[in-house]
Amino acid sequence: ETGVTQSPTHLIKTRGQQVTLRCSSQSGHNTVSWYQQALGQGPQFIFQYYREEENGRGNFPPRFSGLQFPNYSSELNVNALELDDSALYLCASSFRDGKETQYFGPGTRLLVL
Amino acid sequence: GESVGLHLPTLSVQEGDNSIINCAYSNSASDYFIWYKQESGKGPQFIIDIRSNMDKRQGQRVTVLLNKTVKHLSLQIAATQPGDSAVYFCAGLNFGNEKLTFGTGTRLTIIP
Repeated sequence: ETGVTQSPTHLIKTRGQQVTLRCSSQSGHNTVSWYQQALGQGPQFIFQYYREEENGRGNFPPRFSGLQFPNYSSELNVNALELDDSALYLCASSFRDGKETQYFGPGTRLLVL
Repeated sequence: GESVGLHLPTLSVQEGDNSIINCAYSNSASDYFIWYKQESGKGPQFIIDIRSNMDKRQGQRVTVLLNKTVKHLSLQIAATQPGDSAVYFCAGLNFGNEKLTFGTGTRLTIIP
């Protein structure tokens, strides 16, 4: 186990709704990255948070937003949900020491109907 | 654009044999490559990593080889076991850019 936890494990929403996913990083890690994994695909980078600020973003629209808290936990918020947002959402934590290995949580499975 | 991971989609190996999973990348600027294992319903699990200034690294039952000339990465798993059945991803990372770029993965099936 990596020590990275995510909640909830599963979630069902309808189009147009908003969702908040949560991640607690591994002890000692100060960086959290979020990824979206569609079925049968590799994870796609959404964004990363370091010292409570966004530090890099992938090709995702502004309705994907996030936060990092002083304890390094993080939230991913998605507004105006679309059917294509159905996916496994993964967070990964790491420590900025020049090695940058990212350790993943179990993910949140989101289904948008 | 950058990409990592031109994988065969599936690989079947007899239990006890060695497995080799291959990955090609296009971005020469990647500083660091990582292999992850993902079992059904779980997040990717770190297996082994290698920096771009190395060409080989060994772990427990696993070896990663990096050939920068042809932009190719491989993961060798010795004496495969049923628990090795999973999808394997290679990923590249640029220090300073911090995002992992994943390939589509290879599904490894161990035949008893």
